Amino acid sequence: AQSVTQLGSHVSVSEGALVLLRCNYSSSVPPYLFWYVQYPNQGLQLLLKYTSAATLVKGINGFEAEFKKSETSFHLTKPSAHMSDAAEYFCAVSAGQADDKIIFGKGTRLHILP
Amino acid sequence: KAGVTQTPRYLIKTRGQQVTLSCSPISGHRSVSWYQQTPGQGLQFLFEYFSETQRNKGNFPGRFSGRQFSNSRSEMNVSTLELGDSALYLCASSLATGLGYGYTFGSGTRLTVV
Repeated sequence: AQSVTQLGSHVSVSEGALVLLRCNYSSSVPPYLFWYVQYPNQGLQLLLKYTSAATLVKGINGFEAEFKKSETSFHLTKPSAHMSDAAEYFCAVSAGQADDKIIFGKGTRLHILP
Repeated sequence: KAGVTQTPRYLIKTRGQQVTLSCSPISGHRSVSWYQQTPGQGLQFLFEYFSETQRNKGNFPGRFSGRQFSNSRSEMNVSTLELGDSALYLCASSLATGLGYGYTFGSGTRLTVV
């Protein structure tokens, strides 16, 4: 079975500082991994996904994530935080097999300090 | 193209009543998944439909049910509502199940049970 652990339910960074949101996964097979963002009163929007093509994945809004098999991690980063990045971020995993669902982490709320 | 449409956006029901939520996926998407989102539990998987067949089901009581129509539109029903059913219900569509496609989410239906 697949599972995801996001370290830190709340993360605060200053505007212009590095954003690092941590995600560790557990999967019995090579996984597909995703990061989603949720703004208030909205659904989730896909930021990026790892599907085994390349370990460093670039997404929208300047975010990227690196798949590290040895560490079972898929941390999300952005070099310079903007106020508009304040939102909740979800890491998710799928075994990628037919009939397999996507399992989400508990989420990390990102606060941007002026 | 149009995104995932969920109706209604907001709903207030009384304990013991039943409710039906609707989801229209992106045109061409044949997979529809439903999630319940609450502050304490995060995103919990309810069920997934593909081509009118339920392919996956989460750990929810039988009061939660769903179906998918031939045009891929989906509905979920909750009978005998309980206060704990108050949540944001999110629908997500995908081209197919698994295989790393990822989801496109609707804005959700906010259900309040009083």
